Amino acid sequence: SYELTQPPSVSVSPGQTARITCSGDVLPNQYDYWYQQKPGQAPVLIIYEDNKRPSGIPERFSGSTSGTTVTLTISGVQAEDEADYYCQSADSRGTYWVFGGGTKLTVL
Amino acid sequence: QVQVVQSGADVKKPGASVKVSCKASGYTFTDYFIHWVRQAPGQGLEWMGWINPDSGGTNYAQKFQGWVTMTRDTSISTAYMEVTRLTSDDTAVYYCARQAVPGNHFDYWGQGTLVTVSS
Repeated sequence: SYELTQPPSVSVSPGQTARITCSGDVLPNQYDYWYQQKPGQAPVLIIYEDNKRPSGIPERFSGSTSGTTVTLTISGVQAEDEADYYCQSADSRGTYWVFGGGTKLTVL
Repeated sequence: QVQVVQSGADVKKPGASVKVSCKASGYTFTDYFIHWVRQAPGQGLEWMGWINPDSGGTNYAQKFQGWVTMTRDTSISTAYMEVTRLTSDDTAVYYCARQAVPGNHFDYWGQGTLVTVSS
């Protein structure tokens, strides 16, 4: 089965760099995606196809991959970045989608 | 502009069924798959399945096979998701989301529908 594993929480001070990892055996063979979710709101796509940013997403958000682990990096974290972050992938046939468990980013 | 608007919150008793709607506008409804994702209180996102609005074909996560049904009405650009035999574990916010083309991700989400199961 496809499973994606994220750390439950990450804490950083404003202006620092936050790195959120996502691990899974499916990741070397499939694209990964990242969503940001703030309380009471629907998720918002912030990274697609490993490292691309949709229009309107700040440049401080970036994605990278290394083997079975993908990483969301937020450079120069701002208070408004405090949110839950989810990685997501899908199998090659497009029949099964999976989310990581989510990581709560706290800006100290 | 693309919009995905869901039906309002609902309260159901255990054993009942609930049907959530998801109305799309601003694009050709039949060109994009619609997925359903749920989120229990304080928990993460859980993928439930998708419907192809063009053919009506569906694909469900194994956990939801047999008690969740996804349908659509192309005449009003609306997708539906029905959950039967509700239990308290089904209390959650249910989201519909449009699958991007091309891609295996979700580019537009509904606002979410809170379904509360309580006796």
